[in-house]
Amino acid sequence: AQTVTQSQPEMSVQEAETVTLSCTYDTSENNYYLFWYKQPPSRQMILVIRQEAYKQQNATENRFSVNFQKAAKSFSLKISDSQLGDTAMYFCAFMRTNAGNNRKLIWGLGTSLAVNP
Amino acid sequence: DGGITQSPKYLFRKEGQNVTLSCEQNLNHDAMYWYRQDPGQGLRLIYYSQIVNDFQKGDIAEGYSVSREKKESFPLTVTSAQKNPTAFYLCASMSGGLNEQFFGPGTRLTVL
Repeated sequence: AQTVTQSQPEMSVQEAETVTLSCTYDTSENNYYLFWYKQPPSRQMILVIRQEAYKQQNATENRFSVNFQKAAKSFSLKISDSQLGDTAMYFCAFMRTNAGNNRKLIWGLGTSLAVNP
Repeated sequence: DGGITQSPKYLFRKEGQNVTLSCEQNLNHDAMYWYRQDPGQGLRLIYYSQIVNDFQKGDIAEGYSVSREKKESFPLTVTSAQKNPTAFYLCASMSGGLNEQFFGPGTRLTVL
């Protein structure tokens, strides 16, 4: 069974600085997707970034980028130039590519990030 | 505008009563999901449905029931058998092409 581990329950960063959130996962699959979702205080879940395992290039979305290390089963999220609006819970998630009728995400427990002014 | 709606945002019920949470999507997604979120426990999957008239139990299905009679709708009933129903409930749908889940705004259920 797949598992997702986020080892940092809480983190903080100063505005405009860079922070990295960790995520490791365990799977025997070769093809899969990895996701980072953000849940701000409004509790609306928002997709931040997505990585397909077969792609070697790390995904980027503006100030958000990932460091995907497939062999190490590591998928960290880097937030550059942190803004107050980045304050949120961040969840890492995994999904098998060839899941047929069993497409579902496996979630980490989340990292609470506070951006301080 | 395409999206997922959940209603109501806050719901209060007396202990022992069944309650149904609504989830509607107009994204034309085949798959829909219900999660429960408690402090410190992340998202736990209750039920999911890949197609109309079919659904599967997630990790914590006991005390819950669902139906999927229409593609757009996936209501969740919290029954009196659910021992600790007070929680935040999230509904999501997924596009097969993009393989990412889109979420509704959630319903906070409080059982008094």
